[in-house]
Amino acid sequence: QVQLVESGGGVVQPGRSLRLSCVASGFTFSSYGMHWVRQAPGKGLEWVGVISHDGSESYYEDSVKGRFSISRDNSKNTLFLQMNSLRAEDTAVYYCAKDYSAQTEYLHHWGQGTLVTVSS
Amino acid sequence: DIQMTQSPSTLSASVGDRVTITCRASQSTSSWLAWYQQKPGKAPKLLIYKASTLESGVPSRFSGSGSGTEFTLTISSLQPDDFATYYCQQYNSYPTFGQGTKVEIK
Repeated sequence: QVQLVESGGGVVQPGRSLRLSCVASGFTFSSYGMHWVRQAPGKGLEWVGVISHDGSESYYEDSVKGRFSISRDNSKNTLFLQMNSLRAEDTAVYYCAKDYSAQTEYLHHWGQGTLVTVSS
Repeated sequence: DIQMTQSPSTLSASVGDRVTITCRASQSTSSWLAWYQQKPGKAPKLLIYKASTLESGVPSRFSGSGSGTEFTLTISSLQPDDFATYYCQQYNSYPTFGQGTKVEIK
């Protein structure tokens, strides 16, 4: 079955960087778009960005554009989220999610999430 | 960006009640709308896609309807396992979520 396992979260100071990883199994990773979605404590879901199945295209929500970067290594079934210039408002649980298709559609499967806390 | 607005934000209901949640889009999303259920401390779970198609394994008491800018999620007879927060998400353009509707015990 589909499994998505995020890692890399933790406590980081404002202005610093952090890289999250998501290891996928149970499906042909290179055939699907992959997303990052975050959820601040006690708040709703916020889409962060998406990367195409082959890694050639990525798109981001406005508040993270220029600071966050999504990449993938299809040979290792791994998705990444590079987060730079972190702010307190980036504090959230970050989920990776598999799209239904190679395009951008709905989020078919989700990982369990990893918590990022931005604090001095 | 397409803005999604859910109502109500909180809904108090009893086991066996029929429950309806509304999701409105700031512009047409055709039928490109999904619904998710999230329980505390857990990842969201897909319930419905393309506005009305039930995901495999989801109980038939859940149903979705609508197109364009107005959509509904209905639970025909609320069960104890259904107390959770529900989110709509459009995918006509890059995804955006509604703010969520918490279904709590009355």
